[in-house]
This record gives sequence, structure tokens and C-alpha cells, in this order.
Amino acid sequence: GAVVSQHPSRVICKSGTSVKIECRSLDFQATTMFWYRQFPKQSLMLMATSNEGSKATYEQGVEKDKFLINHASLTLSTLTVTSAHPEDSSFYICSAHGTAQNTEAFFGQGTRLTVV
Amino acid sequence: RKEVEQDPGPFNVPEGATVAFNCTYSNSASQSFFWYRQDCRKEPKLLMSVYSSGNEDGRFTAQLNRASQYISLLIRDSKLSDSATYLCVVISSNSGYALNFGKGTSLLVTP
Repeated sequence: GAVVSQHPSRVICKSGTSVKIECRSLDFQATTMFWYRQFPKQSLMLMATSNEGSKATYEQGVEKDKFLINHASLTLSTLTVTSAHPEDSSFYICSAHGTAQNTEAFFGQGTRLTVV
Repeated sequence: RKEVEQDPGPFNVPEGATVAFNCTYSNSASQSFFWYRQDCRKEPKLLMSVYSSGNEDGRFTAQLNRASQYISLLIRDSKLSDSATYLCVVISSNSGYALNFGKGTSLLVTP
């Protein structure tokens, strides 16, 4: 099946610094990628929809100036957590789909961010 | 009210048992349905799609009731390796193909 590569898998950073997470589709072109966040014992929650060549669409309550998304090519989307704080510590995961709405979603391996 | 609701469990069952999970969704524009499995600190992996006619894959059977907006997953002959969190996932036509996840149901299969 298709592969989505996400890295880093784990990052620990100091409060106030920025962290960039990359999500790559390795063997297919993903015009749309999605970024999710999962806090402990919670469900995955959609943060934003990343569209190649255009601005990302953010879900209500997600600060677009704090979570910067760039989708400059059909195989790469990045999420930058700017000025990270301990409450941003979470599991961040990206997914990409094929073109049909009911195809499998391919997930990256996830990034566990800890802000100290 | 969350769009996708699941009983979080945990469900503790002995090996060989049959266990069923339920899920309800509130968006009537929902059109694609899935069960995903998520192991601790890992990404979700697709277990099976769910079709209106019901579908089976080995020990796993999924059912969809559109009228009641209800999805189920049945696991027969549980194995220790089935221990995981099972996520009910819905895609709605008005959500841009983003996956809408339930909170997940935790299953622990014991020897």
C-alpha cells in the first residue's frame, strides 16, 4: 500500500522554541493532507486540512499563526508549532488520501512532541 | 455532542471470546465508514471498511445501519494480539474527506 513518512517520530523541545514536523507521501501524489492531534486518552482531532499550493484550512479553535502549515509540493506537507508551550505536548499525526473519497487514509507514523 | 460516539470501554475479555463494539454517528451526510485499530503510541491502521450490506474479514465482521446511524464491529475467537484501541471513523460529504474519529474503544484480551 501507499506509504506516508512522518518525522521526527519524537521530539523534546524547550518552551518558546519552534518545532517543524514533516509529512511525505512516498509513492503517490497527495493534493490534500490532514493534520491531527491526539491528547492522552482522547480521540484524534482534526487540526487542519493542507492543500497543495494554497492556504491550509484550520478547524475551529486551532490557531493558524501558531500551527503553520506549508504544502509546497504534492508529496510534502509541514506543520510548524511556533513558540511551543507545555500544553502543546501531544501526538501529532498526518494523513493523506487517494483521490476517491472512500479510499484508505494513509497515516504517517506520528510525532510525539514534549515541550518542557 | 461529538459527531462520532463510542463506548470507551475498556473491554476485558478472555482469549477465544466474542466481543462487539458499537459506534453511532450524528451527521446524516456521512457516507464512508471504517474501523481502524490503534496500538499504544502508534498511528491508526485500517482494519476494515464498513458497507451497508455488512462485510466480514476472517474473525472480524462489520455492520452498518444507516437508518439508525449505527456501526458495529464483531470480533470472534479473540486473540491476545487483538488487544488495542478500535477507532470508529466516518467521512462526511461536508467535511472535505477528513476523517472524523470516535474516541476509541479499548480492548484487552487476557490469557
